[in-house]
Amino acid sequence: KNEVEQSPQNLTAQEGEFITINCSYSVGISALHWLQQHPGGGIVSLFMLSSGKKKHGRLIATINIQEKHSSLHITASHPRDSAVYICAPNGGGADGLTFGKGTHLIIQP
Amino acid sequence: GAVVSQHPSWVICKSGTSVKIECRSLDFQATTMFWYRQFPKQSLMLMATSNEGSKATYEQGVEKDKFLINHASLTLSTLTVTSAHPEDSSFYICSARARTGWYGYTFGSGTRLTVV
Repeated sequence: KNEVEQSPQNLTAQEGEFITINCSYSVGISALHWLQQHPGGGIVSLFMLSSGKKKHGRLIATINIQEKHSSLHITASHPRDSAVYICAPNGGGADGLTFGKGTHLIIQP
Repeated sequence: GAVVSQHPSWVICKSGTSVKIECRSLDFQATTMFWYRQFPKQSLMLMATSNEGSKATYEQGVEKDKFLINHASLTLSTLTVTSAHPEDSSFYICSARARTGWYGYTFGSGTRLTVV
């Protein structure tokens, strides 16, 4: 079973700050997903990555497969970024995802 | 992009009744559908995995007779909570994976079930 550790669990920051959320996992994977869950519960897939780095707007995700570590960065954070961010490694094949406990992010104006 | 429509978004039902939750992939064929539940402040927990045309595979501790999953077509999967009890109150969400080799997941918007 893949053990997933996310940090921090809770983060409150001011608008405009650079945000970093970290994720470590214990078992080698084929890909890792970063998900965003809003207060209503809906989940949006932000990134799926298997190596290197991906960028989408103000969001950047990196992964080091050898180190079993991934990070999600948010540049120029905004209150609308307030959500729970979840790291979810995928072992590949027909397996479902394993989920971290999430990072509860609050961006204050 | 890929969209999964999940209905209803919330439902309140009486103890002992059954509730059906639907997930439809609108613009792709979902070979595999995953069903999760989430309790407040907890992470998502996989309940079962279903492949089109075959029986669902349930995770340990999930009662297959209570949580009936049907994946009759490549675009529709349903979860029926039978004889609901207050402890079944939770957030249920599906995610679909396409037939192609891309292992991305598209999530439904979730269903908040309250059993009274």
